[in-house]
Parts: sequence; structure tokens; C-alpha cells
Amino acid sequence: EAQVTQNPRYLITVTGKKLTVTCSQNMNHEYMSWYRQDPGLGLRQIYYSMNVEVTDKGDVPEGYKVSRKEKRNFPLILESPSPNQTSLYFCASSLSLPLTGYSYEQYFGPGTRLTVT
Amino acid sequence: GDSVTQMEGPVTLSEEAFLTINCTYTATGYPSLFWYVQYPGEGLQLLLKATKADDKGSNKGFEATYRKETTSFHLEKGSVQVSDSAVYFCAPGGADGLTFGKGTHLIIQP
Repeated sequence: EAQVTQNPRYLITVTGKKLTVTCSQNMNHEYMSWYRQDPGLGLRQIYYSMNVEVTDKGDVPEGYKVSRKEKRNFPLILESPSPNQTSLYFCASSLSLPLTGYSYEQYFGPGTRLTVT
Repeated sequence: GDSVTQMEGPVTLSEEAFLTINCTYTATGYPSLFWYVQYPGEGLQLLLKATKADDKGSNKGFEATYRKETTSFHLEKGSVQVSDSAVYFCAPGGADGLTFGKGTHLIIQP
């Protein structure tokens, strides 16, 4: 089954304790992205990756790191989490970045609910 | 950059009512346009899309038409069901991915 998986689904942690949220897709997609979803703010892009070893900042990258060492995996790293990073996080992937005037559908993971106390 | 305007709601309707969720956007050029739906406790999934002006996307009884002249992509359904209760996101596609609106929370009452 074609899917994007995330782990863990739920995480409660304390300020300053490094954590990693994993994301994996089995569709051989080139493009992967991380979003956070907060009430009243919708989805905001954190980082995205156009291919292996190619990553770029989205709208809200501060406090986050990513890496893309393999095509299928795109982990999100919080080196020193803070309470304002409490949120619902989604990983997504699509076949490729948009062509001129055409964008591909993004496939989303089930989400990771993170609470930082 | 790109931006999206859609009402946040909650929008509360009775079962079998007609639904319209407005979406207007600003973007460079003529992007592909998407509606995504998020059911409670789940991730987003594609509902429908349109890739050029005057295209109509449709799925599960929902429709939306790409209106270039008004930069709009309003979502409609003729008769909603309780199972349509969810959050709906409008999203134009840009050079670095999709830009999502804040989402419209739809509640359908029996």
C-alpha cells in the first residue's frame, strides 16, 4: 500500500530534550515536506526537500532541522524543543516539485502530536 | 508569496443542505489548485484538483471550478451528509510546494 508513515504518533517531552520524528514514504517520491498545524493558523511549512541531500527552509524553520540522506526518509529533528513547538506535525511527499503551471498531489502522513512541557 | 483566503467557521449545516466553501488565492502565474480534507484524527487527503482555467475538479459529490478571472476555487456539494464533517483546506500549488489556507471546519448535523 502506498503510504507515508510517521513515528511516533504521540509524544510528550520536556523542554530541551532532543527528539526526532521519523517520516518514511514508499512511493519513490522526490519531494518531501514537513508542516505544523496549529489552531487558527492552518498548515505552515517547516522544511522541504526536492531530493536526496537537497533541503530548503519553509515558512517557519526556526528551531527545527531536517536531513535527507535517503530518498524514502525525511526525519524532523528538534535539537532543543520548547513549549511553542507544541503542535501537530505532518509529513508529506509528492512525485516531484511542480513543473511550470502544474503541481503534483501531496500525500500526507497520519500526523505526530507533540507536547513540550 | 502565495496566499489563500477561506472562511474558518465552524460552518454548521443540516444533512442534505447545499454547501459552498469559498476560496480565493493570490499566486504567481496560473497554479494548480487543490482541495484537501482532514477527517477527525487523520492526516490530510486530496479531495479534488484542477490544473488549468475553467477546469472542474470533482470527487465524492464535491465540485470546484478553476476561475482564473476571479482567482477563486470555491468548493460545492449539492447535498451534504453527516460523514462530510471535517476540515477542508484550499491550496494553490507553487514553485516550492502547496500553500494551505487556514481550513474551514464543517459540521453537518443529522
